[in-house]
Amino acid sequence: DTGVSQDPRHKITKRGQNVTFRCDPISEHNRLYWYRQTLGQGPEFLTYFQNEAQLEKSRLLSDRFSAERPKGSFSTLEIQRTEQGDSAMYLCASSPTGDFYEQYFGPGTRLTVT
Amino acid sequence: AQRVTQPEKLLSVFKGAPVELKCNYSYSGSPELFWYVQYSRQRLQLLLRHISRESIKGFTADLNKGETSFHLKKPFAQEEDSAMYYCALGAGNMLTFGGGTRLMVKP
Repeated sequence: DTGVSQDPRHKITKRGQNVTFRCDPISEHNRLYWYRQTLGQGPEFLTYFQNEAQLEKSRLLSDRFSAERPKGSFSTLEIQRTEQGDSAMYLCASSPTGDFYEQYFGPGTRLTVT
Repeated sequence: AQRVTQPEKLLSVFKGAPVELKCNYSYSGSPELFWYVQYSRQRLQLLLRHISRESIKGFTADLNKGETSFHLKKPFAQEEDSAMYYCALGAGNMLTFGGGTRLMVKP
């Protein structure tokens, strides 16, 4: 499968714990995006990378959230001190150079905070 | 700031009936508009974009700047069109999605 992959697919954690998600984009894509999707809503932009540089962060991305893409390949999204309001589907997408809006999405990581 | 509104959460039609999924946007600049689709148990994927002016799977969408709308249309719905449809606006190197419309095509 040469599409975008995400790991884990599901994560259940207790409030206050830290969690980390991984995204592997399509190999030749230099842009990588993170979105959050809650029930009944469309995906909400969180942040994006061009290669290893994080170029934009949404106001939705509180100080408890951090994302990295250290070698311009895979990316991680960490949430510290999780809260019940963090329960959501976290989607990763990548896009090829020059076409930022044709984004290829991964299957998502569903986070449940109890 | 940009905003995308899809007024219908659910649209249910019979097979062979025409379909129109509504999308309205607000943006001060010149937008790029897209429709993304998510079929059951599949990933979100691009269906069509306004600049290509193509018909994909029988769907078309026309950008109406005067009404700030980008409605998705198909003259004859098929059962395999049942899915979640998201309108999205591209600006500032990111996509802003609407809340989505679930299309159910009944046999």
